[in-house]
Amino acid sequence: NAGVTQTPKFRILKIGQSMTLQCTQDMNHNYMYWYRQDPGMGLKLIYYSVGAGITDKGEVPNGYNVSRSTTEDFPLRLELAAPSQTSVYFCASTRDRANSPLHFGNGTRLTVT
Amino acid sequence: LAKTTQPISMDSYEGQEVNITCSHNNIATNDYITWYQQFPSQGPRFIIQGYKTKVTNEVASLFIPADRKSSTLSLPRVSLSDTAVYYCLVTSSGSARQLTFGSGTQLTVLP
Repeated sequence: NAGVTQTPKFRILKIGQSMTLQCTQDMNHNYMYWYRQDPGMGLKLIYYSVGAGITDKGEVPNGYNVSRSTTEDFPLRLELAAPSQTSVYFCASTRDRANSPLHFGNGTRLTVT
Repeated sequence: LAKTTQPISMDSYEGQEVNITCSHNNIATNDYITWYQQFPSQGPRFIIQGYKTKVTNEVASLFIPADRKSSTLSLPRVSLSDTAVYYCLVTSSGSARQLTFGSGTQLTVLP
């Protein structure tokens, strides 16, 4: 049982480049989330999805896009990378129950220079 | 969504019991309280969850008073490896569940 898998683990981008951070889960969870965490700071919600075909903005959505074509996958797209997007990105998933805990991936460390 | 408030940081010594309290004044009837632990460069991981009274597992205990406006995570006899950030989260089921984290509590265990 793999849980939540994120790829890549590390990436360095130049300013203006684009990339997609991949997230997949094999637990048949409806709810999926993307968070970013800057050094020494807490987790900030970027986007979330409550099911295939449904996405919504979180606290810090600017500069990012998401899609949810399947239950398993929830990719995060950076179109024009900026130094302010240097961060560690975490994907998480859970069931639609109040007592269902979040399952996190191991994160993607992104540096934009 | 119930907002949570925790102390920013706490220090303790090895072998001591540590209690971290989280305030959630606007908790709703069907909400649960969940605590997570995060080590540097790792994603948060589930520690314990409760609805009311007391819950205990092999790692921690969670105390929730009758009014449920706060909760206390208790870590018995901490070790250096318990140094981490601890987050409390209030969750409810529903069709749109925007889960936002507070600042968390940085626990530093000293030798």
